[in-house]
Amino acid sequence: KAGVTQTPRYLIKTRGQQVTLSCSPISGHRSVSWYQQTPGQGLQFLFEYFSETQRNKGNFPGRFSGRQFSNSRSEMNVSTLELGDSALYLCASSFGQTTNEKLFFGSGTQLSVL
Amino acid sequence: AQKITQTQPGMFVQEKEAVTLDCTYDTSDPSYGLFWYKQPSSGEMIFLIYQGSYDQQNATEGRYSLNFQKARKSANLVISASQLGDSAMYFCAMREGMGETSGSRLTFGEGTQLTVNP
Repeated sequence: KAGVTQTPRYLIKTRGQQVTLSCSPISGHRSVSWYQQTPGQGLQFLFEYFSETQRNKGNFPGRFSGRQFSNSRSEMNVSTLELGDSALYLCASSFGQTTNEKLFFGSGTQLSVL
Repeated sequence: AQKITQTQPGMFVQEKEAVTLDCTYDTSDPSYGLFWYKQPSSGEMIFLIYQGSYDQQNATEGRYSLNFQKARKSANLVISASQLGDSAMYFCAMREGMGETSGSRLTFGEGTQLTVNP
């Protein structure tokens, strides 16, 4: 069974640009959530999509957005990039139906903003 | 207030010995779940163990066990017989609420960097 796949693995952008990150969940999983990891702020929840609808949202500005497709694949978009957006972006998938489910994470996309 | 606190930025242990990684949490929700994840240098978060707030028994998964003390709001991870491959960052995380409405929102602690020495 294939794991959670995130592409690209590394990305370098400049300030002001926009970026789209992709996440393919484990087959059968309907929930995809996104996290930002930085040395200063640690791991922070961005948002979660379940069956193509945003179910939960963290405390991030509107420049961060996402969507989920009918095959449960998800994309995350960051517009007008800032230096502080440099981070490891992790996505996680699960069935999204019970509290004790484990989340399966991908290897992340390392975004560097210059 | 921090919802998840891991007070040990770094821990060292000798190979084959046991080690305890501390985690305390803060919530007013009676329904919650506690998770431990391992993050090696590759970046991927690997699930280790889960404990639900209503679970009567402490969770165990192979060499991993969770010392759950509900009244103290602590959920310490115990790794028995440490191996060199256990060297990684370890995160404690909490999910509040139950069912579909709680979703997959985890709150993570700051992490503990574990180094296993030969």
